[in-house]
Amino acid sequence: DAKTTQPTSMDCAEGRAANLPCNHSTISGNEYVYWYRQIHSQGPQYIIHGLKNNETNEMASLIITEDRKSSTLILPHATLRDTAVYYCIVLYNFNKFYFGSGTKLNVKP
Amino acid sequence: EAQVTQNPRYLITVTGKKLTVTCSQNMNHEYMSWYRQDPGLGLRQIYYSMNVEVTDKGDVPEGYKVSRKEKRNFPLILESPSPNQTSLYFCASSLSEPVADTQYFGPGTRLTVL
Repeated sequence: DAKTTQPTSMDCAEGRAANLPCNHSTISGNEYVYWYRQIHSQGPQYIIHGLKNNETNEMASLIITEDRKSSTLILPHATLRDTAVYYCIVLYNFNKFYFGSGTKLNVKP
Repeated sequence: EAQVTQNPRYLITVTGKKLTVTCSQNMNHEYMSWYRQDPGLGLRQIYYSMNVEVTDKGDVPEGYKVSRKEKRNFPLILESPSPNQTSLYFCASSLSEPVADTQYFGPGTRLTVL
């Protein structure tokens, strides 16, 4: 079973908020949710992570549902440079990452 | 500059010819990992290492070997490459166990096995 499920692609207008959903219904209590993004074929870049509480940093906000079965990454003011593939990742067994296929976010002018 | 480096960046080889892809980090990180990326499959973890002389299998370890003799280096070895190992490979490192820290990724190595 896939550990995370994300939409294949999404569009967002420049300057608007981008909300990227992720389903991780099989997550267990001690597993973190991470978000990374990958621009073209470069190495993935860390965005944010969380366990139970909502998190915010200079790049994005992470909203985790109370049952922890899903989360949403929010880019508050998307720019063209935010066009990338966004991966919702579950860290399991404390040391292994499951990346999944990611969401291709297209930010349009 | 803090970074993860990989060499070579591009490699074309033939079936069965042993090769090594090097990975080095200058951040004194304990955790290092290798991933492969194929179209439509995202990144899949091959091997990881918690510290020197400590390595473990990820999700797709078949056909690969690794070693961690020094903290900064984590080479990926393909003893007998096959065409299904044609892929984009990434090395990553983090200060400690990834549950407590973020991973930094290298620039990638594009491998083609003919």
